Amino acid sequence: AQTVTQSQPEMSVQEAETVTLSCTYDTSESDYYLFWYKQPPSRQMILVIRQEAYKQQNATENRFSVNFQKAAKSFSLKISDSQLGDAAMYFCAYRRTQGGSEKLVFGKGTKLTVNP
Amino acid sequence: EPEVTQTPSHQVTQMGQEVILRCVPISNHLYFYWYRQILGQKVEFLVSFYNNEISEKSEIFDDQFSVERPDGSNFTLKIRSTKLEDSAMYFCASKPTYDTEAFFGQGTRLTVV
Repeated sequence: AQTVTQSQPEMSVQEAETVTLSCTYDTSESDYYLFWYKQPPSRQMILVIRQEAYKQQNATENRFSVNFQKAAKSFSLKISDSQLGDAAMYFCAYRRTQGGSEKLVFGKGTKLTVNP
Repeated sequence: EPEVTQTPSHQVTQMGQEVILRCVPISNHLYFYWYRQILGQKVEFLVSFYNNEISEKSEIFDDQFSVERPDGSNFTLKIRSTKLEDSAMYFCASKPTYDTEAFFGQGTRLTVV
């Protein structure tokens, strides 16, 4: 069964600094998708970035980028120039496909605090 | 920008009562999901729905749960007889095709008392 592990329950960063959130996953599939979702205090789930496993190039969305290490099954999120609005829970998710259906498997999340 | 809309934002219900959580997915989306998040815990898959039938359901999704797409626009989750442990945030999600990312609604907070 696919599992997603986020080993950092909480992280903090100074405004304008860079922070990296860790995520590892376990799968026997060769092609899959990985995602980072942000959940602010409003509790809405907002897609931050996605990575397709067959693409070697790391995905980037403005200040957000990933370090995807397929062999190590690692998918970390880097937030550059952190802003107060980045404070949220961040969930790493793996898209599991099986028998024509698919679903997201989430990690337990990392709570990010941004200090002014 | 189109978005997934869930109503109500917060519902309080008595244990044993039936509740219906409503979702309006993005209009051209074909794949629909319900997830839930018990306070302080991770988001868990409940059910996926495509072509007017359930594609997959988790072990959480027992006989007390059902889903329906009654009119081609709404997507509902019904809990027949709520338990205290059903208290959670329930998220609806949708996507247009199989190989795209899911868009989540803002969630419905269900409190069972």
